[in-house]
Amino acid sequence: EAGVAQSPRYKIIEKRQSVAFWCNPISGHATLYWYQQILGQGPKLLIQFQNNGVVDDSQLPKDRFSAERLKGVDSTLKIQPAKLEDSAVYLCASSQGLEGGELFFGEGSRLTVL
Amino acid sequence: GENVEQHPSTLSVQEGDSAVIKCTYSDSASNYFPWYKQELGKRPQLIIDIRSNVGEKKDQRIAVTLNKTAKHFSLHITETQPEDSAVYFCAATPYGNNRLAFGKGNQVVVIP
Repeated sequence: EAGVAQSPRYKIIEKRQSVAFWCNPISGHATLYWYQQILGQGPKLLIQFQNNGVVDDSQLPKDRFSAERLKGVDSTLKIQPAKLEDSAVYLCASSQGLEGGELFFGEGSRLTVL
Repeated sequence: GENVEQHPSTLSVQEGDSAVIKCTYSDSASNYFPWYKQELGKRPQLIIDIRSNVGEKKDQRIAVTLNKTAKHFSLHITETQPEDSAVYFCAATPYGNNRLAFGKGNQVVVIP
């Protein structure tokens, strides 16, 4: 079974530039998550999708972050404009559903903002 | 929202000894508690989980215990091996939304 795919793996940008990350979840997984993991900390949930609808985006900084999951499969996370404090690994994860099941994480996209 | 705290932040153990990591949570509505292991530069992976209707769960050398009254749960690793060296994250969520709140992680170092 193919795992969660993410790209790019690494991205370096200057502050105020924009960046986009892509995620392809495990086939058949209805729920998709974007987490932000700052060095030395645990993953922090940014947004959760169920199929193509947003379930929770309460911790997403909506003035600069946006995410979409068209057709309920792939998802993109965009940051515009980026700030220094956005430097982190952005982890995409998927699960079969909402009822307390395993999250399968991708390898992550490491963002460095200079 | 849920707040999860882990102690200690770093734990060093001799190979073959046991390691115990404790987590506390704040939301009494939480009833699903997984543990994820993250090796350096790799993705987090689920190693064990427990639901609030049981007090303990074992899987070979690892076990998790839950005390809902005190709002804490612990990961126990017995007969530690070098490959157990990693960062371990606990998490909590109410069952039914899978909105995991993670702790900051515990670095476990197994000394050969």
